[in-house]
Order: sequence, then structure tokens, then C-alpha cells
Amino acid sequence: DAGVIQSPRHEVTEMGQEVTLRCKPISGHNSLFWYRQTMMRGLELLIYFNNNVPIDDSGMPEDRFSAKMPNASFSTLKIQPSEPRDSAVYFCASSLSADSSYNEQFFGPGTRLTVL
Amino acid sequence: KQEVTQIPAALSVPEGENLVLNCSFTDSAIYNLQWFRQDPGKGLTSLLLIQSSQREQTSGRLNASLDKSSGRSTLYIAASQPGDSATYLCAVRRDTGGFKTIFGAGTRLFVKA
Repeated sequence: DAGVIQSPRHEVTEMGQEVTLRCKPISGHNSLFWYRQTMMRGLELLIYFNNNVPIDDSGMPEDRFSAKMPNASFSTLKIQPSEPRDSAVYFCASSLSADSSYNEQFFGPGTRLTVL
Repeated sequence: KQEVTQIPAALSVPEGENLVLNCSFTDSAIYNLQWFRQDPGKGLTSLLLIQSSQREQTSGRLNASLDKSSGRSTLYIAASQPGDSATYLCAVRRDTGGFKTIFGAGTRLFVKA
């Protein structure tokens, strides 16, 4: 299996621009998680989906952030408009199911976002 | 509110030494606890997952234990190698309110050859 795939790996944009991050979970996994990692705040869960349905989006920082999962093999995290404080590494992770204690989360390589 | 703390923040040891990394959490109502490794500029690699009903898990030179009542987990690394140098993170999945995952800040390990 190719693992969790994220694109792009690096994104540099200017303040005010729209940014879209993409994720393909491991085939057969029903849960997908979006995280953000910064030096100051560490790893934070932004949102997660179970069977394509958003379950907990309490970590989404502001209305500028939105996430979708139109099907089992694809998810997007969008920031519009972007701000310099959004600069971070964004990780996508997937697991077989969100509601089983057996299931490990597997992480993608991350997207390093820089907003100038 | 669940808080996860990892001590020490950084650790430097000579090759061959056995070592213990610590993770503590404030709310014992957890679903599971997972240990990860993160190399600089890379994603997270899952090492071990302990379910709330388990006491420990082992994989090769790694052993993770869980004591829910005291809110603690330890990751034991036997016969450390330079290739073990990385940041180790523990993540606690709570069993209420949507199974949210909370990460510790990590322990940065350096194993000297």
C-alpha cells in the first residue's frame, strides 16, 4: 500500500490567497484526520471524518478553514483567505475506524505551508 | 480537559544504553494511547498502540506500558542505536466527546555513536 498521500508537499503563497491541501487515505480506511504542527503549539487535531462525515471539527481555528471529504478516497483542507500565522506543517492521517480502540492512525508525509 | 505531558523534553544517551521515555495524561478516560516517532522534516511513524484495557505492548526493542489509574505511559527502548535518534510523541485518544486525539510535545532523543 502506498500509505497516506498528501499534496502538495510544499506550498508557498501570499497572504490573502486561497490554499487547498489534499489527502488520499489508505485504501479501506474509514476515518481521516487533519492535523497542524507548529513549534509553538505542537500537533493539533483540526478535524476528523468517519465514513466521509465530519465528526469533530472543534479544532478548526476559524471560519477561514474548511474541510471536505466527498468520497472515501479523497479529502481537502482549504484556507481562504490565508494569513502568515497559518504557516505550519499540515498532516493528514487515516485509520480503519474512528470508533475502535484497536485502530492505529497512520500519517502522511505532511504539507509544509508558508504564507508570506 | 485532557492534557498530555512528556518528560524529558530532550535526552542524549550513548549508544547501547537502555532508556525510558515518559508520557503522562490528566484524564484517565482514554480509548487508547499511541507512540509515534518523527524524524526531522518527516511525518509520524506509528510505533506502538496500547488499548485502554491493555497494560503493555512490545515490538522488537520497544516496549510501551500503560497505567491508566496513575495517568502514565512509558516507552522503553533497549540497546539504543544512533538510528533511534528522533522525536518521540505520545498521543492519547479520549473515549468521550468524539474520540479526539491529544498529542504530547514530544521527547527529542539523540543517541551518540
